[in-house]
Amino acid sequence: EAEVAQSPRYKITEKSQAVAFWCDPISGHATLYWYRQILGQGPELLVQFQDESVVDDSQLPKDRFSAERLKGVDSTLKIQPAELGDSAMYLCASKPGTEYLELFFGEGSRLTVL
Amino acid sequence: AQSVTQLDSQVPVFEEAPVELRCNYSSSVSVYLFWYVQYPNQGLQLLLKYLSGSTLVKGINGFEAEFNKSQTSFHLRKPSVHISDTAEYFCAVSGGFGNEKLTFGTGTRLTIIP
Repeated sequence: EAEVAQSPRYKITEKSQAVAFWCDPISGHATLYWYRQILGQGPELLVQFQDESVVDDSQLPKDRFSAERLKGVDSTLKIQPAELGDSAMYLCASKPGTEYLELFFGEGSRLTVL
Repeated sequence: AQSVTQLDSQVPVFEEAPVELRCNYSSSVSVYLFWYVQYPNQGLQLLLKYLSGSTLVKGINGFEAEFNKSQTSFHLRKPSVHISDTAEYFCAVSGGFGNEKLTFGTGTRLTIIP
């Protein structure tokens, strides 16, 4: 069964360091999302891509976060510099296109900032 | 704008007993509703979804949910729970095609007592 791949699964870093997360969606899925899930809360959308274009990044803290999907396939989410409050699970999800509503999630990348 | 409220942050239930996890939504447009399950340190897996048609929706692992438009609710039920149902459950709402951003509730932690 096709899955959304994410790496690393776990990342521990010190504040002010840079960190990056990678996501490879299910093959053929044009729409890709990055969500942040703080412990004890529901996931919150950071950024949505349609192919290589950003559709919604209104909740992305652009002073320190960046996301790209250069070839419209895999995607990278970067944080620089990391802050203590960035400790969370970063979830990637994808779907075939805008005509679908169901999202398929990866296992997530858990970030701990010390 | 849409939102989801999950009133119960934690629900303990004895094994083989029935369970209901509550979800209320708010939306100014057509509403599409989802329940996702998250096992520890994993991503989210779709349990069931309501897009249209029958208000009683059946999902995986014996779960079902009923869409109630007048009460703006989409409660999740299972007649007999198992230890393996221990997880976090998230209700989510989408505004539909053209506004498909998925907004999640804060989650309900279901704990099964042997």
